[in-house]
Amino acid sequence: LAKTTQPISMDSYEGQEVNITCSHNNIATNDYITWYQQFPSQGPRFIIQGYKTKVTNEVASLFIPADRKSSTLSLPRVSLSDTAVYYCLVQPHGSSNTGKLIFGQGTTLQVKP
Amino acid sequence: EPEVTQTPSHQVTQMGQEVILRCVPISNHLYFYWYRQILGQKVEFLVSFYNNEISEKSEIFDDQFSVERPDGSNFTLKIRSTKLEDSAMYFCASSEGGRATETQYFGPGTRLLVL
Repeated sequence: LAKTTQPISMDSYEGQEVNITCSHNNIATNDYITWYQQFPSQGPRFIIQGYKTKVTNEVASLFIPADRKSSTLSLPRVSLSDTAVYYCLVQPHGSSNTGKLIFGQGTTLQVKP
Repeated sequence: EPEVTQTPSHQVTQMGQEVILRCVPISNHLYFYWYRQILGQKVEFLVSFYNNEISEKSEIFDDQFSVERPDGSNFTLKIRSTKLEDSAMYFCASSEGGRATETQYFGPGTRLLVL
């Protein structure tokens, strides 16, 4: 599995756009990039997933450059309720792979008023 | 929106006692998982389960642990003889498909404290 590196923590203010970058230099051809969010004392929650270029949903955008060695999760106009830990996961997509998710330490985002 | 539910939300037990953590996965999901998170640490995979069999288990999931789907709705994690180091938050998750790229839906967790 590809190793991921992301900042341990980030601070932001309400209303700002937050970009969290994840490095995954040894990403494989069949790997997908997935982000999960975890609020304190809750289970992780899927945010977004992508393979290349840009993916957008109602919660976030995910930017993946052509070499796929990094990815950036973008949260538009954050609010206090976006304070959470954000995990970048690189997982293989294939019928022989199990559903085991490997979480790193994640990025703790603190949104201030 | 369908949710994964877990009971109890908190469990306090004495070292050496058996505990059973219960989960009700989302009804049309076929793949089930247990993870744990020791306070201040990362979420760790324990076991995956499909078609009434363990698909994969981690090194943490030793002989003290077992999983079962006793009926059509519940999915349980049993710890036979709890140790102090079993104190953690235990999360159940489920997904429609079994690939790692499938979205997994996590429950709210059971906080286990072993004294």
